[in-house]
Amino acid sequence: EPEVTQTPSHQVTQMGQEVILRCVPISNHLYFYWYRQILGQKVEFLVSFYNNEISEKSEIFDDQFSVERPDGSNFTLKIRSTKLEDSAMYFCASSETSGDTGELFFGEGSRLTVL
Amino acid sequence: GDSVTQMEGPVTLSEEAFLTINCTYTATGYPSLFWYVQYPGEGLQLLLKATKADDKGSNKGFEATYRKETTSFHLEKGSVQVSDSAVYFCALNSNTGRRALTFGSGTRLQVQP
Repeated sequence: EPEVTQTPSHQVTQMGQEVILRCVPISNHLYFYWYRQILGQKVEFLVSFYNNEISEKSEIFDDQFSVERPDGSNFTLKIRSTKLEDSAMYFCASSETSGDTGELFFGEGSRLTVL
Repeated sequence: GDSVTQMEGPVTLSEEAFLTINCTYTATGYPSLFWYVQYPGEGLQLLLKATKADDKGSNKGFEATYRKETTSFHLEKGSVQVSDSAVYFCALNSNTGRRALTFGSGTRLQVQP
């Protein structure tokens, strides 16, 4: 069964460092998403991406964040200068262009710890 | 704005007990409603959904009915198993052109043998 894969599963970094989280969406999906969950809090939407551009972003997704689809398979989230409050689980998801709205397929998540 | 409120966990039950996890929502328009489940070490998976009022979503013995009058989508299962131990997330899509889901905070269910 096709699945969304994410790497790394866990990354520890120092405050101020750049981090790149990687995702391989399901191959025939065209919408891609990043969500995050700070420990004990809600799963929060960060950004959605379609046709090689951001289609929607939340207020969390400020200038420190960027997304890219550098090739036909990967979808990356970059945090330029990490802060302590960026520590969270980051989930990548993908969905088809047609079909039921809202049926997202999620990866297992990448846990980011900023020290 | 859109929001989803779930009962806090953890919910601890014995095997074969009845499960209810409450979920209420606030949304513009006519949202679609979802329950996602996250088993240990895995990503979120769609458990069930309902796209209009009075619809009942069901899967793996779980059910939830879209109640517009009470803005609720409570998850129920008649007899839980140890394998149901997971975190359950209620979510909505407001169907206003956004494709992003709004999630609740999740409810951890622990089923004891």
